[in-house]
Amino acid sequence: DGGITQSPKYLFRKEGQNVTLSCEQNLNHDAMYWYRQDPGQGLRLIYYSQIVNDFQKGDIAEGYSVSREKKESFPLTVTSAQKNPTAFYLCASSLERGDGYTFGSGTRLTVV
Amino acid sequence: GEDVEQSLFLSVREGDSSVINCTYTDSSSTYLYWYKQEPGAGLQLLTYIFSNMDMKQDQRLTVLLNKKDKHLSLRIADTQTGDSAIYFCAEGREGNNRLAFGKGNQVVVIP
Repeated sequence: DGGITQSPKYLFRKEGQNVTLSCEQNLNHDAMYWYRQDPGQGLRLIYYSQIVNDFQKGDIAEGYSVSREKKESFPLTVTSAQKNPTAFYLCASSLERGDGYTFGSGTRLTVV
Repeated sequence: GEDVEQSLFLSVREGDSSVINCTYTDSSSTYLYWYKQEPGAGLQLLTYIFSNMDMKQDQRLTVLLNKKDKHLSLRIADTQTGDSAIYFCAEGREGNNRLAFGKGNQVVVIP
């Protein structure tokens, strides 16, 4: 079955450490996205990529980095520069307008 | 610009109908979507409507679109406890892959 997989489901990080969240899709979608979700704030776009080897900053890119070396993969690194990284992170992908986004099941990151 | 607004909370008794509302500001929107998010999970696409349509019905779900007022609604008939979730509306434009999401509307179904 085609889908989009995020791992791990739960992640704990010590302050000052970088962590990488995985997002893999086998839907042959060109575009991929990373969102951050905080209670009561909806979804905020971190980064997105419309094609391999290209990506753009979203609304809250500071303290995050991404890469898009393969069509199937769009990992997100939360760096130590991100001051408040505890949140629920959602990855999504899309083929073209009209299909909407397919979302992964999310990664909950907690800084300890 | 893109700005999507939703009210935050709705409680409804099991078996009643639920209506969730959404307003958007981008008059060039082409597609409008409703997503459902259950606790601790990702978003699931429920339904979508093209901007040249007024209504779309899919089983218990009815989407109404008022383009003049830029108002979108989702009606859930015979609401069940499994419908308890956060519902997001989103709008997008032709030629632009980015969707603009509302902040979500939490629906709590009371047995």
